[in-house]
Amino acid sequence: QVQLVQSGAEVKKPGSSVKVSCKASGGIFSSYGISWVRQAPGQGLEWMGGISPGFGTANYAQNFQGRVTITPVESTSTAYMEMRSLRSEDTAVYYCARDYSGSFWSWGQGTLVTVSS
Amino acid sequence: DIQMTQSPSSVSASVGDRVTITCRASQGIGSWLAWYQQKPGEAPNLLIYAASSLQSGVPSRFSGSGFGTDFTLTISSLQPEDFATYYCQQTNSFPRTFGQGTKVEIK
Repeated sequence: QVQLVQSGAEVKKPGSSVKVSCKASGGIFSSYGISWVRQAPGQGLEWMGGISPGFGTANYAQNFQGRVTITPVESTSTAYMEMRSLRSEDTAVYYCARDYSGSFWSWGQGTLVTVSS
Repeated sequence: DIQMTQSPSSVSASVGDRVTITCRASQGIGSWLAWYQQKPGEAPNLLIYAASSLQSGVPSRFSGSGFGTDFTLTISSLQPEDFATYYCQQTNSFPRTFGQGTKVEIK
């Protein structure tokens, strides 16, 4: 059973960057994909992007292309999501999830990112 | 992008009721569909994958069906712990997209 543990809450200024980590335990890290999904307050789920098993390719939603980078570090079984040029609309809970054929089989606990001046 | 549309947006039901949620894709996705349950303050939890396969550990009162563009999630006998928001998600292509959610509330 793969378990994902994310880094803690962040408060950021508009225009800055944030980097959220997602540490995996159980299973072989490179054998599964990792996706990132965010949820703004009171809103639904939005897929941001993900990396494929073996870290061959990364795919991003159009809304995040060029502003988000997802990076795996196999030596520590950790995936990172970095978002740049933050704006207030990016205030949300960010989740990482184990991606198996596009379904998200296990999730991190979520990281609240608050963007405020 | 494939648009996913759920209905209803919310439903009020009583314990023991049968509840059905529908999800429609804007184009055919075969059986590439997943359903999730999310309770307030928690991460989503996978219930169904490949349209009708029950995830390990999920009670058998949950079932999924459908193919192509029209899908359903059925809870055969609603239990107190089932009051939550449910999301469908297409796994057919990038970008992955979710329905807007269906909130199941206590009647």
